[in-house]
Amino acid sequence: QVQLVESGGGVVQPGKSLRLSCAASGFTFSSYGIHWVRQAPGKGLEWVAVIWYDGSNKYYADSVKGRFTISRDNSKNTLYLQMNSLRAEDTAVYYCARAPTTQWTSVDVWGQGTTVTVSS
Amino acid sequence: NFMLTQPHSVSESPGKTVTISCTRSSGSIASNYVQWYQQRPGSAPTPVIYEDNQRPSGVPDRFSGSIDSSSNSASLTISGLKTEDEADYYCQSYDSNNWGVVFGGGTKLTVL
Repeated sequence: QVQLVESGGGVVQPGKSLRLSCAASGFTFSSYGIHWVRQAPGKGLEWVAVIWYDGSNKYYADSVKGRFTISRDNSKNTLYLQMNSLRAEDTAVYYCARAPTTQWTSVDVWGQGTTVTVSS
Repeated sequence: NFMLTQPHSVSESPGKTVTISCTRSSGSIASNYVQWYQQRPGSAPTPVIYEDNQRPSGVPDRFSGSIDSSSNSASLTISGLKTEDEADYYCQSYDSNNWGVVFGGGTKLTVL
């Protein structure tokens, strides 16, 4: 079945870096755009970034622009989020989420999320 | 940039109908599709409406979506409420001015 599995979360100090991964299975990964969406504890959903199916376009939320980088390796069916200069306000559950082929601006499948805690 | 504003919470009894609104702060609600996601406690979100009023397969027809240009808002209506519908609901759209995806703040639905 269609599945997205995030990994790489953990506790990290402010100013440090962390890389999240999202392993896809059950569908042709190279045909789909993928988003990262996060949710701070007790808060709502916040869109982070999106990458097109072929990696040709990437877009970011203003809150992470210049600090986070989204990338993908279609040969490994894996999405990444490199997070640099982390701040306390980046603490959240990070979800990878697939965009339908007909509308890259929405989500049709969500992963279960990985938790990132930024704390000294 | 625009915002999507939702009521913080709504409550209704089992078997009744509830409507959750999502108001766009600027620009036309009709200019970009609206999606709705359900998030039960401790779980990832799941889509319940896409492209304003389309239901993904497996979502019961008790769930429906619409947009209203006069109020510049989208609505999610759930009829025949069940206790299992108790969850947070988020609307979502797209800001074509900055290539960004926008979520509403979420609405907590209580079925009591």
